[in-house]
Amino acid sequence: EAGVAQSPRYKIIEKRQSVAFWCNPISGHATLYWYQQILGQGPKLLIQFQNNGVVDDSQLPKDRFSAERLKGVDSTLKIQPAKLEDSAVYLCASSVNGRSRDTQYFGPGTRLTVL
Amino acid sequence: AQKVTQAQTEISVVEKEDVTLDCVYETRDTTYYLFWYKQPPSGELVFLIRRNSFDEQNEISGRYSWNFQKSTSSFNFTITASQVVDSAVYFCALSPRKVFGKGTRLSVIA
Repeated sequence: EAGVAQSPRYKIIEKRQSVAFWCNPISGHATLYWYQQILGQGPKLLIQFQNNGVVDDSQLPKDRFSAERLKGVDSTLKIQPAKLEDSAVYLCASSVNGRSRDTQYFGPGTRLTVL
Repeated sequence: AQKVTQAQTEISVVEKEDVTLDCVYETRDTTYYLFWYKQPPSGELVFLIRRNSFDEQNEISGRYSWNFQKSTSSFNFTITASQVVDSAVYFCALSPRKVFGKGTRLSVIA
């Protein structure tokens, strides 16, 4: 079974530029998550999708971050414009149904550096 | 509010030593789940174990064991006879709010 795929693996941009990350979850997983992991910290949930609907985006900085999962499969996370403090690893994860007990399966992440 | 505290930032042990990673949590939910994940240098978080709030039985899986104590809100993780391949950052997490601790970096020296 293929795991969670993410691209690109690395991205370097200058502040005020835009960037987009892509995630393809495990086939059949209804729930998709985006996390931000700043160096030396644990992952912080940005947004959770159930199929193509948003379940939780309470920690998403909506003035600059946006995410979509139009067909309920793959997803894109965008930052526009980027700030220095956005430098982090962006992790995508998926789970079968998004229930509290469900195990999340993580992708390799995209490391973003904002200069 | 939900919170997970991993007080140990870094631990270094010599191979074959036992090591315990601490996790303390706070939640007002009566039903919740606790997880441990391993993040090796490659960066991908790997699921290790899940425990629900109604099951306080300890669990052993090979060299890994977990001690869940609701009375002290702790879910500690022990690696017996550590190996170099155990070197990684370990995260404790709490659901349903999907809150992670800051992680403990374990270095096992040959």
